[in-house]
Amino acid sequence: DTEVTQTPKHLVMGMTNKKSLKCEQHMGHRAMYWYKQKAKKPPELMFVYSYEKLSINESVPSRFSPECPNSSLLNLHLHALQPEDSALYLCASSHAKNEKLFFGSGTQLSVL
Amino acid sequence: DQQVKQNSPSLSVQEGRISILNCDYTNSMFDYFLWYKKYPAEGPTFLISISSIKDKNEDGRFTVFLNKSAKHLSLHIVPSQPGDSAVYFCAAKRKEYGNKLVFGAGTILRVKS
Repeated sequence: DTEVTQTPKHLVMGMTNKKSLKCEQHMGHRAMYWYKQKAKKPPELMFVYSYEKLSINESVPSRFSPECPNSSLLNLHLHALQPEDSALYLCASSHAKNEKLFFGSGTQLSVL
Repeated sequence: DQQVKQNSPSLSVQEGRISILNCDYTNSMFDYFLWYKKYPAEGPTFLISISSIKDKNEDGRFTVFLNKSAKHLSLHIVPSQPGDSAVYFCAAKRKEYGNKLVFGAGTILRVKS
């Protein structure tokens, strides 16, 4: 199994909603990542978890809250988002310190 | 300030010919470079990488060249195939910063049959 599975594939939410994005991998990877990509822009790193601990937070606003319940799962909790947060949210995983990231197909988020 | 730049938004190549995708970077501390490929509705997939101690790495039809003095790298695909049509992202990192990849904006490659 070399897949990173992200759910949902699409999400539309209002600015007052609370929602969560989910990511799962069963490759035994101990590093997991959240990236944000806006149209025609490069993916931008948000968070990195290494061995279930948050190791990098790229100064992401607190309305985005990551969680790594175990080595296979990564969540991104969303609350009070703004329309400019609309983007493709990509999850990735890798062996620790290995540059070869495996990406999921992303969640396309629209904030109304 | 974009540290990794792919100045060609798109490239069109005839099947069987060479595709050359270019990438420039501004941070001289980057010491590892990667190329990812992305099909529509899928996440990026790793293609090939190169360490700053090398100037060339080859894997089948794909070769990456690194020119450190020019802060430039390129991906050559020979021969190009219609299935290579995708978005290609260049990425760079400093090994001491772990897996903090900085991506370019991508180049859309279209291989015409």
